[in-house]
Amino acid sequence: DAGVTQSPTHLIKTRGQQVTLRCSPKSGHDTVSWYQQALGQGPQFIFQYYEEEERQRGNFPDRFSGHQFPNYSSELNVNALLLGDSALYLCASSLGTFNEQFFGPGTRLTVL
Amino acid sequence: SQQGEEDPQALSIQEGENATMNCSYKTSINNLQWYRQNSGRGLVHLILIRSNEREKHSGRLRVTLDTSKKSSSLLITASRAADTASYFCATPPTDSWGKLQFGAGTQVVVTP
Repeated sequence: DAGVTQSPTHLIKTRGQQVTLRCSPKSGHDTVSWYQQALGQGPQFIFQYYEEEERQRGNFPDRFSGHQFPNYSSELNVNALLLGDSALYLCASSLGTFNEQFFGPGTRLTVL
Repeated sequence: SQQGEEDPQALSIQEGENATMNCSYKTSINNLQWYRQNSGRGLVHLILIRSNEREKHSGRLRVTLDTSKKSSSLLITASRAADTASYFCATPPTDSWGKLQFGAGTQVVVTP
């Protein structure tokens, strides 16, 4: 039984570019949440998707957007990248919004 | 601002010793969760304690919760080198468990 998977593992982009990160939830899970973790900090909630809709959103600008597909996988898109967007992006899945979240290994994004 | 704040920021102990870390939070909670993160990778869920529980055990882990003081502690007994990691407490809002709010974490180093 595969856990939460994320791709790519590492990514290097230039300021102003756009990036798409992908997440496949744990088998049987239907809810995906995304977090940003800067170096030395705890994860910060970006948003959560359930039934293909954004259900909750943290304090992130509109440059951060997402999508959930019918198979429950999800994408995180970031436009007009800034140096400060460099971070580890974590995806977590759960069954519904009131259950324990299982995290993927993360995607390390570096913006130059 | 972060909901949970861990203390200490860093902890260095020898194998066999116990490690204790604390977490304080600001608002009312339904539950509090502890996670472990190895070397900037994905988070592993360790234990969940509900607001009506005062103490919970899981293997070598012991978690306490004092809702009157808005604080929790995580004790790792008989630590091992493999326990070297960052430990985070996280609290979800009462209307959904999706938007986990993490502290900055306690970095634990266990030396052989």
